[in-house]
Amino acid sequence: HSVLTQPPSASGTPGQRVTISCSGTSSNIGRYTVNWYQQLPGTAPKLLIYSDNQRPSGVPDRFSGSKSGTSVSLAIGGLQSDDEADYFCATWDDRLNGYVFGTGTKVTVL
Amino acid sequence: EVQLVESGGGLVEPGGSLRLSCAASGFNFIDYTMNWVRQAPGRGLEWVSSISPTANYKYYADSVRGRFTISRDNAENSLYLQLHSLRVEDTAVYYCARDVLKNSYATGFDIWGRGAMLTVSS
Repeated sequence: HSVLTQPPSASGTPGQRVTISCSGTSSNIGRYTVNWYQQLPGTAPKLLIYSDNQRPSGVPDRFSGSKSGTSVSLAIGGLQSDDEADYFCATWDDRLNGYVFGTGTKVTVL
Repeated sequence: EVQLVESGGGLVEPGGSLRLSCAASGFNFIDYTMNWVRQAPGRGLEWVSSISPTANYKYYADSVRGRFTISRDNAENSLYLQLHSLRVEDTAVYYCARDVLKNSYATGFDIWGRGAMLTVSS
């Protein structure tokens, strides 16, 4: 049971924009910056967004992060077939005194 | 090339012990907080533990505190996780991962190893 809640699935057609939400509380998202990870089947996770909205080098600007209060969102613009993956939000939580991952969202390209 | 390589996984009986290792290369290891993250088969990601650059600070998930110990050897560019009192529910792929920013923590994990599989079963 995670303290960060994501929808289990999201989908779109190639070229569409897909948005994934992640809801937390004042002890995690409301206090700390959030990171987003992409995990392709059978591979290690990849950092897509850190510090709410920063992209590591090599991550295309089709991926963007935003934050409002105790919720964050990841937007994937110009959806591509190789964007099919699981996406996880994550941040520090004061009450747990640890790093927490969201429940994960599986993105399907129709 | 910046790289992390885990080793030490395997099959262990419940109640047993194991040490996982993670060899780092291609970056200045002592500058970064290092982390362990695990993923049970078919499940999501679970953070396990973090250790600050000079090992002054160590953090653990409630599910492993008191059973697992994180450590590092900066001279050898290596990260370790000692696991004791293993349970069936500890079965997972264990990843080591580096914080994206120097001298900080929980800023995001940008470098990951390929993972080491641990199976706890009788």
